[in-house]
Amino acid sequence: KQEVTQIPAALSVPEGENLVLNCSFTDSAIYNLQWFRQDPGKGLTSLLLIQSSQREQTSGRLNASLDKSSGRSTLYIAASQPGDSATYLCAVRSGGGADGLTFGKGTHLIIQP
Amino acid sequence: NAGVMQNPRHLVRRRGQEARLRCSPMKGHSHVYWYRQLPEEGLKFMVYLQKENIIDESGMPKERFSAEFPKEGPSILRIQQVVRGDSAAYFCASSPQDREQFFGPGTRLTVL
Repeated sequence: KQEVTQIPAALSVPEGENLVLNCSFTDSAIYNLQWFRQDPGKGLTSLLLIQSSQREQTSGRLNASLDKSSGRSTLYIAASQPGDSATYLCAVRSGGGADGLTFGKGTHLIIQP
Repeated sequence: NAGVMQNPRHLVRRRGQEARLRCSPMKGHSHVYWYRQLPEEGLKFMVYLQKENIIDESGMPKERFSAEFPKEGPSILRIQQVVRGDSAAYFCASSPQDREQFFGPGTRLTVL
């Protein structure tokens, strides 16, 4: 059974800092991995999707890497802004793509102005 | 292209009543997924559907819960005889084939 762990559970940093959020998964036979952000009381916004054959994806100030063999992914946020404050969720799709996503519990990020 | 739509956004039911949650996928998306987020817990997969077919329902509780995605109209998640433990946020996601999933705003169910 796939399990996803996110570290840290919470993080508070001053505005402008670069930061790294970590995600690990127990079964390396994944189909793809997605990073989301969730604002309080809202739905999920997809940030980046990495297919199992890829090593990284970039979108603006966000960069996500994937090391499938070690069961790890990182989300790098450059030059953090108060608007980045949210809960960041890592989710893995296993099997041949016929499964639902398995989510971590998230990292609650606060960027101090 | 409108995003994934869910309604109602908030639903209050008394114990024993039925709850019906609707999800309209993004245009062109034929795959629908339902997830549940319990208070203080992570999102859990419930069911994966394509038009008129249930592909994977391994995350669905064995009783009282059912889902459908008819040829016409939205996907429906139905909870019969709701109990207080069913109170949660229910999210629907859609994707084109088996690719990136896009989530709706969720339905927050409160059972009194």
